[in-house]
Amino acid sequence: SQQGEEDPQALSIQEGENATMNCSYKTSINNLQWYRQNSGRGLVHLILIRSNEREKHSGRLRVTLDTSKKSSSLLITASRAADTASYFCATDAEGYQKVTFGTGTKLQVIP
Amino acid sequence: DAGITQSPRHKVTETGTPVTLRCHQTENHRYMYWYRQDPGHGLRLIHYSYGVKDTDKGEVSDGYSVSRSKTEDFLLTLESATSSQTSVYFCAINRGNEQYFGPGTRLTVT
Repeated sequence: SQQGEEDPQALSIQEGENATMNCSYKTSINNLQWYRQNSGRGLVHLILIRSNEREKHSGRLRVTLDTSKKSSSLLITASRAADTASYFCATDAEGYQKVTFGTGTKLQVIP
Repeated sequence: DAGITQSPRHKVTETGTPVTLRCHQTENHRYMYWYRQDPGHGLRLIHYSYGVKDTDKGEVSDGYSVSRSKTEDFLLTLESATSSQTSVYFCAINRGNEQYFGPGTRLTVT
C-alpha cells in the first residue's frame, strides 16, 4: 500500500501563480523528500526535509512538514511553464535506504 | 545524473516469454532499486539490492526476480511475462539520502 498520498491529483495554474501540493503519510518517518518527473523521464530529487525540521527552502521551493498531522506541503512560487511535471513525495519509514513514493500530483503551468 | 543507464529502453514481448532488463551504474553505489510505474499507483518498489549478491523484495515482487553479480549491474527478470507486467520500469541508486533514477524502460507485454 502507498505510504504517501498527494493532493490534488492534478493542478492547472497560470504562469506566475503559486502552486501548492500536499502529501499525507501513514507511519512515522525520518525524512520526507520531494521529487519531480518530467513526462517520459526518470524522477529528479528536489528537496529533503528531516523529521525534526518544520520548513525548508530551496530557490522557489518551500517545503513544510507537520509530523503531528503526518503531512507535508510543497509550494512552488512564481511558477513557470518549465515547472510542468508530476511531483511525488517519498518517505523513509523503513530507513533511508528504502523509500516509498506517493501517487503524485500532476502540475500544468499554462504560459 | 548519477551515470545510470537502462537497457533496453523499449521492449515489446509476448505473454509467457522471459524478459531481462538491465541497469548499469558507473559510480559504485551500494544500493540499487527496481521500480515499476503505473497510472494511479505512482512508483512501486519491486526489488532492491544492498550489495553484490544481496537482494531483498519490495512491495510488488511477485513474478520478478533479480540478480546482482557485479556492483555496477542490477538485472530484473520476468520469468514468464504477463500482460499485468506492462509498465514503465525504473532503476535507481541511493546516494546519501537521495535516489537517482535511470531513464526508464517501457515494457509492453502483448
